[in-house]
Amino acid sequence: GQSLEQPSEVTAVEGAIVQINCTYQTSGFYGLSWYQQHDGGAPTFLSYNALDGLEETGRFSSFLSRSDSYGYLLLQELQMKDSASYFCAVPSDRGSTLGRLYFGRGTQLTVWP
Amino acid sequence: EPEVTQTPSHQVTQMGQEVILRCVPISNHLYFYWYRQILGQKVEFLVSFYNNEISEKSEIFDDQFSVERPDGSNFTLKIRSTKLEDSAMHFCAASQSGNSPLHFGNGTRLTVT
Repeated sequence: GQSLEQPSEVTAVEGAIVQINCTYQTSGFYGLSWYQQHDGGAPTFLSYNALDGLEETGRFSSFLSRSDSYGYLLLQELQMKDSASYFCAVPSDRGSTLGRLYFGRGTQLTVWP
Repeated sequence: EPEVTQTPSHQVTQMGQEVILRCVPISNHLYFYWYRQILGQKVEFLVSFYNNEISEKSEIFDDQFSVERPDGSNFTLKIRSTKLEDSAMHFCAASQSGNSPLHFGNGTRLTVT
């Protein structure tokens, strides 16, 4: 089966940097995605890593190490609006497309002023 | 930016009743999905739909569930006889291809009493 492990909660102050880790177990690997969700609303795609290394998109970066089955989401210059749940996700072992995602349990990020 | 729209935002129904959740995906997106999220838990895949037929479904998507794209724009999820455990946020999602990020709608909160 598949499993994804990420911390349940992280807190930080405005302007700080925070890293949300995700370790995964899958029989096949087709990339690691990150989604943001505010207050139970629509999950929003943030990033996708298929290869090792760092992908940067503005204040957010995502890193992948396939040899360690590990990735992280790095949020810089934190703002209050970044308070949300962050989910790592991998394509399902049983899926034939990358759209069938298996999500982690999510990390609730709280940003304090 | 084009959005996935879902109606209604909240649906309350009695156990055993049929419900239909509606979604209008982004027009140039070819793959459609339903996911659900029980309160406080992770997002779970239900079904994917491509070329007017189901391409994949999870163990959750049993005979009580069906999906349809009746008129080329709406994408619906029907639950024939709702159970208490169907109470969840149901998200519709769309992607341009089978390997593209998912765009989620704002969800329909289904409450079964």
